Formats: sequence, structure tokens, C-alpha cells
Amino acid sequence: GEDVEQSLFLSVREGDSSVINCTYTDSSSTYLYWYKQEPGAGLQLLTYIFSNMDMKQDQRLTVLLNKKDKHLSLRIADTQTGDSAIYFCAAFSGGYNKLIFGAGTRLAVHP
Amino acid sequence: KAGVTQTPRYLIKTRGQQVTLSCSPISGHRSVSWYQQTPGQGLQFLFEYFSETQRNKGNFPGRFSGRQFSNSRSEMNVSTLELGDSALYLCASSLRTAEGEQYFGPGTRLTVT
Repeated sequence: GEDVEQSLFLSVREGDSSVINCTYTDSSSTYLYWYKQEPGAGLQLLTYIFSNMDMKQDQRLTVLLNKKDKHLSLRIADTQTGDSAIYFCAAFSGGYNKLIFGAGTRLAVHP
Repeated sequence: KAGVTQTPRYLIKTRGQQVTLSCSPISGHRSVSWYQQTPGQGLQFLFEYFSETQRNKGNFPGRFSGRQFSNSRSEMNVSTLELGDSALYLCASSLRTAEGEQYFGPGTRLTVT
């Protein structure tokens, strides 16, 4: 079946940039998303990118998409302690008509 | 505009019982999707409803069912609860289709003892 993979853990220093990577297998994915989940909360939609785009910037967030390699990344500039959370990459599968999520990357921001 | 709301937020049930969870989508949104989140399996798609019709279903047993009302509010039901059904159940709403911006509610934490 379709799959989305991402590294499980990332640790960065406050003020540095964070880069979270994700790969997906469904070449028919039309939308690719980044969600944030804080402890005890639901998922917060951070940003998304259409499959025909290479890059999208939204304030401190930059999403890069390499469609040929099916690789997606989320860069968070000037990472703050409030950015500590689990970040989920998701791809909308046209074949299955549903969102497929990665396992989530736990971002830890330390002083 | 109010976000997606889910009730109840927490629930404790016993094996064999049944449970009903409720989701109210963002006003104007007509598509509602349900997901199960567990530490072992991650986020798994349950089903999607649009205009009171189930449009898509994930790979879950028939004990999991849902419905959508004319006001787009949705409920999901789990019958004959098993310990493995303990999870965070998340509801997401989107304007017309599951493709596009999906906004999630805070979830219902179900514990089965």
C-alpha cells in the first residue's frame, strides 16, 4: 500500500533552523501537508503544498517538494521552545482518496 | 469561526460495551473524516462522510461505523469494545472533499478497560 516515512526524532538549539524530512510513495498525491501535534491535543494544520509546486513559504515555515524523488521537507526558521511538538507529514492519496500519515517526527528544542 | 469540536473529550468504557463519539465540523464544511491514533499504529483513516453519505472507508472491522446528519455533524460508533480500541479518535472537516485543507478537532481519548 501507500506509505509516508519520516525520521522519528530531531533535536535543535533554540534560534537555529529545523529541517524535518519526509518521503512518500504515491506518485498521484495531489496535496502534501504538515501537521503539528502538541501533547494532549489534536492536529494543527501548519501548511500544505500542491504537488505542482516546488516551494511554499509561510512566515517561519518553508516547505520544499522534490516530486521526482517524492521528498518533502519542512524548514522552521528561528526555532523556539514553543515549536517543540510532533510534526506529521501527510500525503493525500488519489488512489485511496484519503490522507496517509507518517509516524511523526518529535522535535525537541533546547536552550 | 469556531473550529472542529468533538465530544466527549475523554471516555472510559469496559470491554464489550459500545460507544458513540460526536464531531461538529467547521461551519460550512461538508466533509467529515475520522481517524484513529494509537502509539503502535499511528494515524489510521476510519471513514469519510459527505452529504450524509459514506464516501470512503478504511481497513477497520464492521464494529466501527459512522453516520452524518443533514447539518454535517457526524457520529462514530464502536460496538463490542476491545482493549485494542483504546486510542485518540480524531475528526477532521474540510469544505467539500477530503482532498484539500483538513482541519482537525481536539480528539476524544477513549480508554477501554
